[in-house]
Amino acid sequence: AQSVAQPEDQVNVAEGNPLTVKCTYSVSGNPYLFWYVQYPNRGLQFLLKYITGDNLVKGSYGFEAEFNKSQTSFHLKKPSALVSDSALYFCAVRLINNDMRFGAGTRLTVKP
Amino acid sequence: NAGVTQTPKFQVLKTGQSMTLQCAQDMNHEYMSWYRQDPGMGLRLIHYSVGAGITDQGEVPNGYNVSRSTTEDFPLRLLSAAPSQTSVYFCASSYSTSSYEQYFGPGTRLTVT
Repeated sequence: AQSVAQPEDQVNVAEGNPLTVKCTYSVSGNPYLFWYVQYPNRGLQFLLKYITGDNLVKGSYGFEAEFNKSQTSFHLKKPSALVSDSALYFCAVRLINNDMRFGAGTRLTVKP
Repeated sequence: NAGVTQTPKFQVLKTGQSMTLQCAQDMNHEYMSWYRQDPGMGLRLIHYSVGAGITDQGEVPNGYNVSRSTTEDFPLRLLSAAPSQTSVYFCASSYSTSSYEQYFGPGTRLTVT
């Protein structure tokens, strides 16, 4: 089945430390991959996407993600976490027919 | 621009009742979609549309109907509400296909008793 997985329900990091939120995918063909963030009681906001080209994608708020075709992964990273980065993060993949699949989400908590 | 708007913000229904969740966007986006968000399950696509007059089913379409008579509006209809439809519903739109980033509305929290 075509899907995306986020293996960690929760990630905790200290402010100033690097953070990684993991995502793996299982789709046929070339994947279109996305990261979104959700703050409490809000809709999702787009962070970045990978369509083609450079495997390292830079996005909003200092986030970046690395596409790894051999490991079928698209991990979200940030060199130095902020308390304000605490939120729910979703990885998503576009299927060939405009259908979309989202991961279950990872709750990131950045502690001062 | 108001972006993507959804009404109502909250709704309580009794089992068997019907209702329509409204969604509108003022960005002239072709692609619109409806998701439901349940704890531990992320977002699941219910229906989507790639333009006026064109709709298609997503991952969990049963119990829901949609139509797209204009570019701006994409209402979601619950035909006969069931407790399993208790969820938070999000509408989203994007420029063309789902290859583009989607803009999400603020959500509708629906409870079916």
